[in-house]
Amino acid sequence: GAVVSQHPSWVICKSGTSVKIECRSLDFQATTMFWYRQFPKQSLMLMATSNEGSKATYEQGVEKDKFLINHASLTLSTLTVTSAHPEDSSFYICSARATGTGEGEQYFGPGTRLTVT
Amino acid sequence: SQKIEQNSEALNIQEGKTATLTCNYTNYSPAYLQWYRQDPGRGPVFLLLIRENEKEKRKERLKVTFDTTLKQSLFHITASQPADSATYLCALGGNAGNMLTFGGGTRLMVKP
Repeated sequence: GAVVSQHPSWVICKSGTSVKIECRSLDFQATTMFWYRQFPKQSLMLMATSNEGSKATYEQGVEKDKFLINHASLTLSTLTVTSAHPEDSSFYICSARATGTGEGEQYFGPGTRLTVT
Repeated sequence: SQKIEQNSEALNIQEGKTATLTCNYTNYSPAYLQWYRQDPGRGPVFLLLIRENEKEKRKERLKVTFDTTLKQSLFHITASQPADSATYLCALGGNAGNMLTFGGGTRLMVKP
């Protein structure tokens, strides 16, 4: 149980285009989903917290107009990187916490490798 | 500012030995601490959670200690195996929104 999927697993796009990444909780409902970015040999950096049916909360320094997050249902959150640039190339990982749990583990997706050329 | 430190150098040990990884933090009072395993190109996988009022927690070959006075957690893998080779991340939580803040991770290499 507690499986989180991401799609696509990797994507290459041209500079200036937009890319959408999906994060799904497959066998549980997730009130809260988190989006992280990870550069090579660095740790996960939280970008935003996404709550179903409300606006995402972005961490300091993360542009909300560039990284659009939509948490339309209890099993799906999407991250859209708009007008992507090479410096946006990174490993994007989502995680989900099951409904009704305050603390406790987060279940992570397998990640999406974005390369902007 | 909050800081979570894990040894950035890789830890190389022989199969069968106990691996001990360290997580130190400053300017933080976490309600709980978690350890994750991450393989290259994959998302982290949850291993253990320990709360601030717990000193030690075990799960199979894994043991975690949490010393809130020293602001340190130790993560032990006993009878290590080559399959244990991965990067291990500690994460602190319990602040508003129950977000997790991750350390930089330590890469463990278990040699046969």
